[in-house]
Amino acid sequence: NAGVMQNPRHLVRRRGQEARLRCSPMKGHSHVYWYRQLPEEGLKFMVYLQKENIIDESGMPKERFSAEFPKEGPSILRIQQVVRGDSAAYFCASSPVGGNSPLHFGNGTRLTVT
Amino acid sequence: TQLLEQSPQFLSIQEGENLTVYCNSSSVFSSLQWYRQEPGEGPVLLVTVVTGGEVKKLKRLTFQFGDARKDSSLHITAAQPGDTGLYLCAGASSGGYQKVTFGIGTKLQVIP
Repeated sequence: NAGVMQNPRHLVRRRGQEARLRCSPMKGHSHVYWYRQLPEEGLKFMVYLQKENIIDESGMPKERFSAEFPKEGPSILRIQQVVRGDSAAYFCASSPVGGNSPLHFGNGTRLTVT
Repeated sequence: TQLLEQSPQFLSIQEGENLTVYCNSSSVFSSLQWYRQEPGEGPVLLVTVVTGGEVKKLKRLTFQFGDARKDSSLHITAAQPGDTGLYLCAGASSGGYQKVTFGIGTKLQVIP
């Protein structure tokens, strides 16, 4: 069984470019969560999506960041006009249902903005 | 905003020693999860505790959920170098879906 797949594992972007991070959830999982991890801040919730719907984006910056989970294909976290402060590890997690079902994490995308 | 405080943030011990890490909050959680994360990888779930006062054991790891469901502890007996990693506690709130709040983590190093 394939786990949560994230790509790319490492992404380097210059300031002002766009970053696209992809996440394929585990088979059978229809709930996707994106988290950002900084060394001294821990994992911070960004957005929760179900297929074709954004359920909660309360943790996502209002500008430059967007997320989608289309009917077909992976979930995408998109960061436009990246700045140095966007450098972080971005983790995607999936679960089969909501409630208290555990989260299965991918190995993250490490974004470096130069 | 629900906050989870973990202590200690860093812990370096010799192989064979015992240790306890703590996870505290002023908020009540419907469940609490412990994850372990190794460098370059995502967190991996170790255990979920749901009932106040619940104790779960996973080999040399013992997890306890406080009676009031606001705090938790992880005790490791006879630590091994393979236990080295970042231990994260995460509280899940009720409300129709799982919105999990993570603590900053305890970075454990077990020296052979």
